[in-house]
Amino acid sequence: EDKVVQSPLSLVVHEGDTVTLNCSYEVTNFRSLLWYKQEKKAPTFLFMLTSSGIEKKSGRLSSILDKKELFSILNITATQTGDSAIYLCANSPSNTGKLIFGQGTTLQVKP
Amino acid sequence: DSGVTQTPKHLITATGQRVTLRCSPRSGDLSVYWYQQSLDQGLQFLIQYYNGEERAKGNILERFSAQQFPDLHSELNLSSLELGDSALYFCASSPRGMAEQYFGPGTRLTVT
Repeated sequence: EDKVVQSPLSLVVHEGDTVTLNCSYEVTNFRSLLWYKQEKKAPTFLFMLTSSGIEKKSGRLSSILDKKELFSILNITATQTGDSAIYLCANSPSNTGKLIFGQGTTLQVKP
Repeated sequence: DSGVTQTPKHLITATGQRVTLRCSPRSGDLSVYWYQQSLDQGLQFLIQYYNGEERAKGNILERFSAQQFPDLHSELNLSSLELGDSALYFCASSPRGMAEQYFGPGTRLTVT
């Protein structure tokens, strides 16, 4: 059964800290791995990683994909209070359009 | 703002009732997805439509049904509501052939 597991489930840090969020997956037909940020309501798209794009960076956020070991990490450097959110990892198998989400990591950044 | 719209934002109804949630995808997107998010189950895929046709089904209950209309908007119908159906219902759309999905603001359903 296709599955996505995130760790840790929650994390509390102080502004300026660097955090690493983990995502491991099991999927029959891998197509892509996606990261989303969910603040008050809707998940917002951050990154998509595929076999041809295993590393992405946008400002203080970066992500890598290890297709051999079946995991991805999301790094956030110099965290700010505005980074407080739930970070969701999702897998998109190639034989379906659906996203399979992990449980999410709740990040709280304290001033 | 993702460009995906959903109505209503909030819905409070009683057990046994039926409700309809509405979604309009981003301009140009043909695929619409419905997800349910509850505290204990996380974000779960329900169903996908592509250009009016059902493409994939997830763990959608038989009491739930959906459709996509010629103008590409979609409706999710929930009937014989139970307390456990209380959740956030999200609609998402994606560009043709792309895996990334863009989520609407959601409808919070409370069944009392």
